[in-house]
Amino acid sequence: KNEVEQSPQNLTAQEGEFITINCSYSVGISALHWLQQHPGGGIVSLFMLSSGKKKHGRLIATINIQEKHSSLHITASHPRDSAVYICAVKAAGNKLTFGGGTRVLVKP
Amino acid sequence: DTGVSQNPRHKITKRGQNVTFRCDPISEHNRLYWYRQTLGQGPEFLTYFQNEAQLEKSRLLSDRFSAERPKGSFSTLEIQRTEQGDSAMYLCASSLRKIAGGPNEQFFGPGTRLTVL
Repeated sequence: KNEVEQSPQNLTAQEGEFITINCSYSVGISALHWLQQHPGGGIVSLFMLSSGKKKHGRLIATINIQEKHSSLHITASHPRDSAVYICAVKAAGNKLTFGGGTRVLVKP
Repeated sequence: DTGVSQNPRHKITKRGQNVTFRCDPISEHNRLYWYRQTLGQGPEFLTYFQNEAQLEKSRLLSDRFSAERPKGSFSTLEIQRTEQGDSAMYLCASSLRKIAGGPNEQFFGPGTRLTVL
């Protein structure tokens, strides 16, 4: 079993829909990251969370440390949100352990 | 553009050849990380440096792989005697270790895509 599990693996939405991506992890962590990766490979950090909730524009990230679970929400989705969203956790040491990613396609 | 650059962006090589990739982190960042990502998978940790010291290496980093950060600034990742299984995206990230401790955000470069024929 992977230390970081994401669901769903693939998600297709119509423009304007509310999207939720889930991340569960099995180890104690000091921080959780949500990353966005567009075709071509570049990774952009969206959020780094240790507790609670963060919001940036149409993106909201929440984390429940007790339940070892985090969610990334996209409100009013847009085709430019189409990308792979990756959850990564920082446990012991300084390396990140990544989930397998959720491929999101938003259709106009 | 995150401020982390990687060169080359693409590399095609024949099996058995050696390749070297370079990563230039954000200038004030003292930590530098290398990750590998195969198609359809999330990235996997390879190694990381704090300044010029290589502090952790993954078991994924076989004897054919070596990484250096000689002056604590840019880093190179060399793969000797490449194999087809080495084909992947090699990602570099950097971060700034805070004196007070706590997690630090990593900024990723665009990656180097390696294809071994």
